[in-house]
Amino acid sequence: GENVEQHPSTLSVQEGDSAVIKCTYSDSASNYFPWYKQELGKGPQLIIDIRSNVGEKKDQRIAVTLNKTAKHFSLHITETQPEDSAVYFCAAPAPNDYKLSFGAGTTVTVRA
Amino acid sequence: GAGVSQSPRYKVAKRGQDVALRCDPISGHVSLFWYQQALGQGPEFLTYFQNEAQLDKSGLPSDRFFAERPEGSVSTLKIQRTQQEDSAVYLCASSPGTSAPNTDTQYFGPGTRLTVL
Repeated sequence: GENVEQHPSTLSVQEGDSAVIKCTYSDSASNYFPWYKQELGKGPQLIIDIRSNVGEKKDQRIAVTLNKTAKHFSLHITETQPEDSAVYFCAAPAPNDYKLSFGAGTTVTVRA
Repeated sequence: GAGVSQSPRYKVAKRGQDVALRCDPISGHVSLFWYQQALGQGPEFLTYFQNEAQLDKSGLPSDRFFAERPEGSVSTLKIQRTQQEDSAVYLCASSPGTSAPNTDTQYFGPGTRLTVL
């Protein structure tokens, strides 16, 4: 299956600043990269995803970039707000597989 | 519309007891996944159903774990003779498609937190 590594494990930012989370994957044939946000006591929720035919995708304050050569993808959150505080997971499916392999997660804390 | 629901939300079991965890996927979703999430970790795949067929059970940790989806909708994850290492959050997810790789959004339920004493 796919091996996904995620950094950093924790991230504390001042409200209004940006947050960046990076993930690497092992299988160069992987072509779909979702990001999930998990709040306390809830299941993960998809916030953005990117497919390998594009290098960047934006949705309001969040963006994802993909570097297929280096096999890494990143989540960017701009103008962070207290409600952005949560655990964020990157994921990828193996090329011919149904399941997602998740990173270990990044706990983001936005300080007021 | 209704999302993925799971019950119970919390389950405390004594070591050696059997437990059954239920998942109600989004109506019409063909694919259903079970994941196990240990404290402070990302979800780990357990098993996958396409309709009623269990196509992948490679993530089930032992033969004490059993899952079924007999009518292609509701699914049950059963753990026999629970051990302390089974303590985790069990997440269910569903998605509408059946492609591999699965590039459809997986919609997760809130999870069942299992504590084995």
